[in-house]
Amino acid sequence: QSALTQPPSASGSPGQSVTISCTGTSSDVGGYDAVSWYQQRPGRAPKLMIFEVRKRPSGVPDRFSGSKSGNTASLTVSGLQAADAATYYCSSYAGSSNPVLFGGGTTLTVL
Amino acid sequence: EVLLVESGGGLVKPGGSLRLSCAASGFTFNYAWMTWVRQAPGKGLEWVGRIKSRTDGGTTDYSAPVKGRFIISRDDLKNTLYLQMSSLMSDDTAMYYCVAWTTLELAATYAFDVWGQGTMVTVSS
Repeated sequence: QSALTQPPSASGSPGQSVTISCTGTSSDVGGYDAVSWYQQRPGRAPKLMIFEVRKRPSGVPDRFSGSKSGNTASLTVSGLQAADAATYYCSSYAGSSNPVLFGGGTTLTVL
Repeated sequence: EVLLVESGGGLVKPGGSLRLSCAASGFTFNYAWMTWVRQAPGKGLEWVGRIKSRTDGGTTDYSAPVKGRFIISRDDLKNTLYLQMSSLMSDDTAMYYCVAWTTLELAATYAFDVWGQGTMVTVSS
């Protein structure tokens, strides 16, 4: 199975909102409510930001929200801040034989 | 505070072996399902494999690229996770992250919630 498809880059100005998409198939994104999003700053480990499509772990600001429509999941970052600049990865459960797929990552630039 | 500290990375020749360790603290390790995720330089994330808690059977699962070459094990007395890697190839060059699932809900959906800082493995002659 191929990786999930994300745009390589996204950008927005402070205070604006930006949405990052993650497209898969009916065998992964569309088939399960098991999409996660990770934030990774340079030289650091990824950090879980969203799980099960729209749930936020404790400590993640509510400026980060997730959604899904069909085979495409989305991460929206509202009220952009300079600290949000990072690479964001999506992942999805994809069944027992190859349980998790990742997207290629989207580098978010805060202008 | 939940903490994972990996060690054991380094430079190894193609065909060689290496064992990574991950020391865990701040949570009940023996009940946690654990996993390894890797990231090649400048690339995205790739799941390597997982091990369930002993109370849930202690079984392991692996991704296709590493199955038959990598073995995940755990020592609950030492709160330590291991990744034994053999028949290493250049494609195995990556930062290897130890990840803990703090709830079974997260494990069921492969949402990786607690990450170590990673240990770098370079396979090169």
